[in-house]
Amino acid sequence: LAKTTQPISMDSYEGQEVNITCSHNNIATNDYITWYQQFPSQGPRFIIQGYKTKVTNEVASLFIPADRKSSTLSLPRVSLSDTAVYYCLVGVGDGSSNTGKLIFGQGTTLQVKP
Amino acid sequence: DAGVTQSPTHLIKTRGQQVTLRCSPKSGHDTVSWYQQALGQGPQFIFQYYEEEERQRGNFPDRFSGHQFPNYSSELNVNALLLGDSALYLCASSLNRGLGGYTFGSGTRLTVV
Repeated sequence: LAKTTQPISMDSYEGQEVNITCSHNNIATNDYITWYQQFPSQGPRFIIQGYKTKVTNEVASLFIPADRKSSTLSLPRVSLSDTAVYYCLVGVGDGSSNTGKLIFGQGTTLQVKP
Repeated sequence: DAGVTQSPTHLIKTRGQQVTLRCSPKSGHDTVSWYQQALGQGPQFIFQYYEEEERQRGNFPDRFSGHQFPNYSSELNVNALLLGDSALYLCASSLNRGLGGYTFGSGTRLTVV
């Protein structure tokens, strides 16, 4: 099972672009990379998922290099409401491990300042 | 379209007591997974229910048990509560054991005193 490593915390200011990088050196061929966002006292919320190159949706972009050993979540022009914990998960197509469970690390706490 | 609903939202119990937490999955979902999230940590997988059976289990003692009903709703039971069981308990639902991803509820905050 591929382990993920991401920074414990990051600070940013409103209006800036934020990039959070996740390392997953042992990613398997059939693994996808999935990012979740969690606000205090709420459950994690799916943000974006990708397999290779670049994926973009209405809230974020996900950049995955050719070797797939890392990935970068990019949040454009963050606001105060983007202050949350961001989790990078590696697993099969639904984001889970091959046994069907989501494996969360400690995540990256993003603090957006005014 | 209702998302995942958990009840109660907050609960205070005494050591040694038993507790039951409830989860109604998102409409159309048939799989329910339970997670425990201690303060400052990521969620930890407890178990997953599909077709009214426990399909996968994480590293949790037998004090943690569950049930899934024919309408796909689920209960998490914890016996002989310990102080260390204080956490946010999250329910996540999905279709067919994860197809299409997971939707989480807002959790039940359990405090054991």
